[in-house]
Amino acid sequence: SAVISQKPSRDICQRGTSLTIQCQVDSQVTMMFWYRQQPGQSLTLIATANQGSEATYESGFVIDKFPISRPNLTFSTLTVSNMSPEDSSIYLCSVIILGQPQHFGDGTRLSIL
Amino acid sequence: QQQVKQSPQSLIVQKGGISIINCAYENTAFDYFPWYQQFPGKGPALLIAIRPDVSEKKEGRFTISFNKSAKQFSLHIMDSQPGDSATYFCAASNTDKLIFGTGTRLQVFP
Repeated sequence: SAVISQKPSRDICQRGTSLTIQCQVDSQVTMMFWYRQQPGQSLTLIATANQGSEATYESGFVIDKFPISRPNLTFSTLTVSNMSPEDSSIYLCSVIILGQPQHFGDGTRLSIL
Repeated sequence: QQQVKQSPQSLIVQKGGISIINCAYENTAFDYFPWYQQFPGKGPALLIAIRPDVSEKKEGRFTISFNKSAKQFSLHIMDSQPGDSATYFCAASNTDKLIFGTGTRLQVFP
């Protein structure tokens, strides 16, 4: 299966700042997704990262708050903008490689002070 | 209609026992039902998955039972081991997007 590298693995940020999370995959993938997992909670899909075009956001998530880029088949970034303590979560990148099930990275653990 | 309900929220089992986690869905368009296992500090890892054309799938100690008419599916872990202690999520999908259940924290004691 694909190796997914997320950076940073964790961070502590001040409220009002922004953080960009990177997701690098060692294989060309069909689809890439970004999920949020709030402390002790389940996973919620933020958006589908589309190569070379705007991401497709799920209800409750907007581009101004969570801008996403995907410049090629193996890389994507998620920015968490103007952070507040409510944004403290684990942010996970996941990928689908043709014919294989969805596979997750280990996530970025983000705490906002 | 997009929800997946999962129970119990937590489960304590003795080593060697059977762990059973249940999920229910409403959207009859769902056609893929995976279970993910998540250890602290790690991302979810696919454990086993089933499609609605079969009623049961077994892989080692892990079995999915699927009841299409009841819109329910469950994970059975036979001979549970302390190393199985983790959080388990069921999920459902009819596209590439996964809808996750709320999770079950399983603790297996020696």
